[in-house]
Amino acid sequence: EADIYQTPRYLVIGTGKKITLECSQTMGHDKMYWYQQDPGMELHLIHYSYGVNSTEKGDLSSESTVSRIRTEHFPLTLESARPSHTSQYLCASSDRGYGYTFGSGTRLTVV
Amino acid sequence: AQSVTQPDIHITVSEGASLELRCNYSYGATPYLFWYVQSPGQGLQLLLKYFSGDTLVQGIKGFEAEFKRSQSSFNLRKPSVHWSDAAEYFCAVSMIYNQGGKLIFGQGTELSVKP
Repeated sequence: EADIYQTPRYLVIGTGKKITLECSQTMGHDKMYWYQQDPGMELHLIHYSYGVNSTEKGDLSSESTVSRIRTEHFPLTLESARPSHTSQYLCASSDRGYGYTFGSGTRLTVV
Repeated sequence: AQSVTQPDIHITVSEGASLELRCNYSYGATPYLFWYVQSPGQGLQLLLKYFSGDTLVQGIKGFEAEFKRSQSSFNLRKPSVHWSDAAEYFCAVSMIYNQGGKLIFGQGTELSVKP
């Protein structure tokens, strides 16, 4: 069973729409992360959080934003989706940095 | 800067044959090292991890990896590959003392298994 949940699994949306990708974990982990992954490519960190009210930008510049109001919830928002945002988005959490638990990902297609 | 290199982008092995996937890292301190596997369209599953102690670590699904500090390597091995092992494999190093344990991933190695 998954301890970290991402919804939706697949999303096809038109250019200019606002979208929010959901990520929730039930493990009480303080640290949470968002990675972006193009098909067959490596993972790039776009956002991370050390805990409630803590958010930081990752290594790869992204037009998305995140929030961390509750420990278990780390949603990612795109205010105006563009085709260049088409990718897979993976959420993860960790306990003291000793390895991550990943969600199943959201595959986003912007048309 | 910290980095992880997986020299092989794609490897094909026959079912039943042995497997070794290479991983080299660049990190100033003692690293925490991980191998993850990703099936198509899925998230990443942890295969095994090394923090300290015995340099040969055992993981799930019959995988093992050996940490060699002198070579800055953490290669993944399996004695006999099954068709279900076909997937993408990622090596990663944790920046445990910097940026709260952020993981740096290698480029990934795609494994194909032929009958």
